[in-house]
Amino acid sequence: QQPVQSPQAVILREGEDAVINCSSSKALYSVHWYRQKHGEAPIFLMILLKGGEQKGHDKISASFNEKKQQSSLYLTASQLSYSGTYFCGTSPYNAGNMLTFGGGTRLMVKP
Amino acid sequence: EPEVTQTPSHQVTQMGQEVILRCVPISNHLYFYWYRQILGQKVEFLVSFYNNEISEKSEIFDDQFSVERPDGSNFTLKIRSTKLEDSAMYFCASRDRGLEKLFFGSGTQLSVL
Repeated sequence: QQPVQSPQAVILREGEDAVINCSSSKALYSVHWYRQKHGEAPIFLMILLKGGEQKGHDKISASFNEKKQQSSLYLTASQLSYSGTYFCGTSPYNAGNMLTFGGGTRLMVKP
Repeated sequence: EPEVTQTPSHQVTQMGQEVILRCVPISNHLYFYWYRQILGQKVEFLVSFYNNEISEKSEIFDDQFSVERPDGSNFTLKIRSTKLEDSAMYFCASRDRGLEKLFFGSGTQLSVL
């Protein structure tokens, strides 16, 4: 069963913040975040493992709440280059063999 | 950075024809995947492959689909008798041992007419 992402779409002005949520009805071992620009392959952002860790690089970070089976992606001081569709991928196993992606969140950052 | 390579980038075929989509995963990777994405929709898992056999497959991956690793470098997806609904972007991905990121290829856009 695929994870549920919210919101489905976000429009921001450059410099604004956004949060994208990903929730699952299944117990999760890991959550992956990818960004896809139109016509391109998904690009890896980060992986979070169960244990509630938080990760980040640059101004993009994420958290994973194992108890709630939820992950959130935080985009701080958004840049034009952040535009794209963000997908969370979830895996109930510790090998990630079958990563199931959510429906995606379309993010548009305007000048 | 190493890349996953997919060929062709575009494939047009007639309904009922067989197609083979080709992928060259990153050389030291051990796990291989096919995903597809219908225009404007989410990325859907098709199949994972490890140690020369399918490790998992989705409901989409029915008897019309098969995968092969015919030599040490290529990883192929065959659709025996294509249907209109098979039209999609097909992504190959690979990863190394352990819980690491998937590297996606740039995809093959399949159009079934």
